[in-house]
Amino acid sequence: NAGVTQTPKFQVLKTGQSMTLQCAQDMNHNSMYWYRQDPGMGLRLIYYSASEGTTDKGEVPNGYNVSRLNKREFSLRLESAAPSQTSVYFCASSKGLRNEQFFGPGTRLTVL
Amino acid sequence: QQQVKQSPQSLIVQKGGISIINCAYENTAFDYFPWYQQFPGKGPALLIAIRPDVSEKKEGRFTISFNKSAKQFSLHIMDSQPGDSATYFCAASYNQGGKLIFGQGTELSVKP
Repeated sequence: NAGVTQTPKFQVLKTGQSMTLQCAQDMNHNSMYWYRQDPGMGLRLIYYSASEGTTDKGEVPNGYNVSRLNKREFSLRLESAAPSQTSVYFCASSKGLRNEQFFGPGTRLTVL
Repeated sequence: QQQVKQSPQSLIVQKGGISIINCAYENTAFDYFPWYQQFPGKGPALLIAIRPDVSEKKEGRFTISFNKSAKQFSLHIMDSQPGDSATYFCAASYNQGGKLIFGQGTELSVKP
């Protein structure tokens, strides 16, 4: 099992460009999450999906949109990238909201 | 609003020493307290977790101490090794909300 996979691993964007970060899990988990990690700020939840067909805002949703494409896949979209969105983005999944979360390897995004 | 506060932000310990990382929380409804370990370039992974019906949980060299009245919990790493050098995150969640809220992280460096 690959666990949680994320693509791409690295990305450089110019201000105003758009992009989609892809995440997939093969553990048959119900819940999926997107976090951003910045120095001194810890892991901040952007959006999450408790189960297929549902999505909810986390702590820092502004400037992002998500799609729970199916049970396996959960994508994060930046419609108009800003330098403040330079960060490392992690996708995670869990059996349920209260269960252990399994994280992907991350995407390092730089917005110039 | 930071519901889980973690300290210190960074920690340097000599090999064989004890590493101690502290977390404090505000919401008395929290009832699940995990610790995640993150190595450079990797996603976080669950290390150990505790529920408030016990005051201490030990797994190998890692121990969580929990003080419900003080709303604090801590991670102790006994006989710290260079391989323990990583970033450690405490987290908390409660039954109705479910999703984890992470602390800011502690970067631990164990010197040989």
